Amino acid sequence: EVQLVESGGDLVKPGRSLRLSCTASGFTFGDYALSWFRQAPGKGLEWVGLIRSKTYGGTTEYAASVKGRFNISRDDSKSIAYLQMNSLKTEDTAVYYCCRRDYSNYDYFDYWGQGTLVTVSS
Amino acid sequence: DIQMTQSPSTLSASVGDRVTVTCRASQSISSWLAWYRQTPGKAPKLLIYKASSLESGVPSRFSGSGSGTEFTLTISSLQPDDFATYYCQQYNSHPLTFGGGTKVEIK
Repeated sequence: EVQLVESGGDLVKPGRSLRLSCTASGFTFGDYALSWFRQAPGKGLEWVGLIRSKTYGGTTEYAASVKGRFNISRDDSKSIAYLQMNSLKTEDTAVYYCCRRDYSNYDYFDYWGQGTLVTVSS
Repeated sequence: DIQMTQSPSTLSASVGDRVTVTCRASQSISSWLAWYRQTPGKAPKLLIYKASSLESGVPSRFSGSGSGTEFTLTISSLQPDDFATYYCQQYNSHPLTFGGGTKVEIK
């Protein structure tokens, strides 16, 4: 069974950093691209960024709202993806979801984690 | 960036009703569109990809259509699990963008 479990969400002050983890199981992690999405309280879904598999260079893409502040990485030996969030702002408050991109390599997402809450507040 | 606009934002319906949600893109996205369902407190679930392809395991009461800039999601006979919020997502180009959501409520 495919599972994605996010962890690391917390209450942090503006300007601080936080790292989220996404631990995967039930599939060959290294074969898939992973993406992070977020959902502010009571709001819609927003794409944060993506990391491709090593086969496709392990390259990353980011939304403009987080580019330069957030970094996505992966450790295929541990089946974990990370979202390093720096210079956090109050508007980064959201539930963050880790998702697996479909094997077709098109950017739709067939498995989602349960999410982890990040609250940025002084 | 490609803007995605869903309508209506809220829809009231009863079990057994046929329901249609519309999603419009600000420019052509060919058929690079997915639909998701999200129930409160849960992660989104993929229903449809490539505008009209049903994800494995998704009931056949869900169907999608459209191409270019206009798309629809149809639920042929609404079930209790379907009272949820539905989102369209374009994957024609980065940044990936979503519609604002359509909440299907119990009438």
